[in-house]
Amino acid sequence: DQQVKQNSPSLSVQEGRISILNCDYTNSMFDYFLWYKKYPAEGPTFLISISSIKDKNEDGRFTVFLNKSAKHLSLHIVPSQPGDSAVYFCAGTSGSRLTFGEGTQLTVNP
Amino acid sequence: EAEVAQSPRYKITEKSQAVAFWCDPISGHATLYWYRQILGQGPELLVQFQDESVVDDSQLPKDRFSAERLKGVDSTLKIQPAELGDSAMYLCASSPGSGGPPDTQYFGPGTRLTVL
Repeated sequence: DQQVKQNSPSLSVQEGRISILNCDYTNSMFDYFLWYKKYPAEGPTFLISISSIKDKNEDGRFTVFLNKSAKHLSLHIVPSQPGDSAVYFCAGTSGSRLTFGEGTQLTVNP
Repeated sequence: EAEVAQSPRYKITEKSQAVAFWCDPISGHATLYWYRQILGQGPELLVQFQDESVVDDSQLPKDRFSAERLKGVDSTLKIQPAELGDSAMYLCASSPGSGGPPDTQYFGPGTRLTVL
């Protein structure tokens, strides 16, 4: 049972434009959602989170939107920079257990 | 900046051999996690410790995998015997245990295991 799904394996955008990464979930018991970024040969790095009772959280260039009725969340990066090129994982948490999606490879072209 | 340490970074072994991975969490973090990440997939939890106690090992293949955190600080994950399907990245993470919510997990660089 794939509780968290990222349907786009890859995304390519131009520097300075907006990157939108999407994530769908099936588990209604998730109380928080988190985004992690992963560079090659490194572990995932925490980026931003959102409570299930919120619909938006913003931190600098990163904004996460949650549509609870659609069980969908998205991460917006504005403006995108070449250093943002990485694999982005969406994860839901119930208690302390994290359930990850498959990841989306973001490439930001100069 | 405090980091989660893991060793070795890379391990190549033959099937049926034993392998062990070590993790040193961020100082003061009560909760420690071991994850397995297969290429093209997200990390999957193998085992979670709260201090020295296992709180979740429901996804740990206990016939060949074992994990311990004897003094509630560093931890070892062992596979014996290794099988071809165990080739993956093994990630360790730690969290304060009393922070948040959410109780944000911080990951180490991982150990890349290749079983031949």
